[in-house]
Amino acid sequence: GNSVTQMEGPVTLSEEAFLTINCTYTATGYPSLFWYVQYPGEGLQLLLKATKADDKGSNKGFEATYRKETTSFHLEKGSVQVSDSAVYFCALRGLTTDSWGKLQFGAGTQVVVTP
Amino acid sequence: NAGVTQTPKFQVLKTGQSMTLQCAQDMNHEYMSWYRQDPGMGLRLIHYSVGAGITDQGEVPNGYNVSRSTTEDFPLRLLSAAPSQTSVYFCASSLDSYSNQPQHFGDGTRLSIL
Repeated sequence: GNSVTQMEGPVTLSEEAFLTINCTYTATGYPSLFWYVQYPGEGLQLLLKATKADDKGSNKGFEATYRKETTSFHLEKGSVQVSDSAVYFCALRGLTTDSWGKLQFGAGTQVVVTP
Repeated sequence: NAGVTQTPKFQVLKTGQSMTLQCAQDMNHEYMSWYRQDPGMGLRLIHYSVGAGITDQGEVPNGYNVSRSTTEDFPLRLLSAAPSQTSVYFCASSLDSYSNQPQHFGDGTRLSIL
């Protein structure tokens, strides 16, 4: 079945540092890939998405590129702020009959940005 | 602009009690789902629905029931609560199950079973 693996946290960074969160996946066919962010006490919000190979999703300074050859969708941001402190989830949406429409999530990576 | 509304936000139950977690959306979304979030395990799908009157099991359905009598509402029922069901529960909805429209999440229900 489908699965998503992302790096464990917590990741602690200073403000203005570069952030990378690794995400790799296993899936049949060509799933859609997503990054969701969860701020303390809130539900998940879509951060960005990519629906086909070599697509780059971007939002709020975050970027991720759909790499079919390495089955990866790493999240990056060039200069983080304290307000970026949150838990980040990588997810895929299957396109096969038995996984249609369902989101498969990684374990989540907590990011802590200090002033 | 309500989106996905979950109630209650917090609940403490004793083992063996039953309760219903409520979820409502006002976006006329066909697809709705319930997840549980546990440390180190991400979100796992409990049940989902592709439209009114249609429900199906997800990855971890045991101990939970759902129904979808209207497009707007998708309640999750715990028939006999167990400590293993202590978790944070999220309801989500999306326009449909076949496009790439994003899922919208509620703020969650934090449930503790003693």
